[in-house]
Amino acid sequence: QKEVEQNSGPLSVPEGAIASLNCTYSDRGSQSFFWYRQYSGKSPELIMFIYSNGDKEDGRFTAQLNKASQYVSLLIRDSQPSDSATYLCAVNKAAGNKLTFGGGTRVLVKP
Amino acid sequence: DGGITQSPKYLFRKEGQNVTLSCEQNLNHDAMYWYRQDPGQGLRLIYYSQIVNDFQKGDIAEGYSVSREKKESFPLTVTSAQKNPTAFYLCASRSKERGAREQYFGPGTRLTVT
Repeated sequence: QKEVEQNSGPLSVPEGAIASLNCTYSDRGSQSFFWYRQYSGKSPELIMFIYSNGDKEDGRFTAQLNKASQYVSLLIRDSQPSDSATYLCAVNKAAGNKLTFGGGTRVLVKP
Repeated sequence: DGGITQSPKYLFRKEGQNVTLSCEQNLNHDAMYWYRQDPGQGLRLIYYSQIVNDFQKGDIAEGYSVSREKKESFPLTVTSAQKNPTAFYLCASRSKERGAREQYFGPGTRLTVT
């Protein structure tokens, strides 16, 4: 079992719809959680981070964390073609100061 | 502007040559990281440093070396011992302060070895 797992996709979403991305992690003591967006050929860009159970909203993005079930999700509302990218989930485990990344989910928003 | 810079953006080398990739940050971050990304793949950690003059191996350190003589700088050397050096190399940095643990990436260096 990988430490951080994501469905590789592609997740195809009509323009204007909600894209829902999921990420599960194995270390129950994980403390902080991050979502990055990576366009093809570019470096990852931090779009959301969440430290506490529940929801965190920022513009069209909502991160949801459930530590009991060990998953974190990202919702993209009113999806736009410019949201087409690979989304990376990253987790800071209980020990250490380094992130563990999932393999990423590729999202395609179709006009 | 605060940020992380990596140079050069593209780098071409012949097999058997060592090459050093630059990473500089002016965010006053304590921790710095080097990752490698192969086409269609996730990020793999090469080396990281949490403080000046100290660094730790990541998951794929063989064939690489680093130094951390200054807080702002964390250069990565890809040695001739690295079997498959062609990849996209990403540098990142992060604060160790509680409540500000976000990690940011530089623009990356694309290395091609032939």
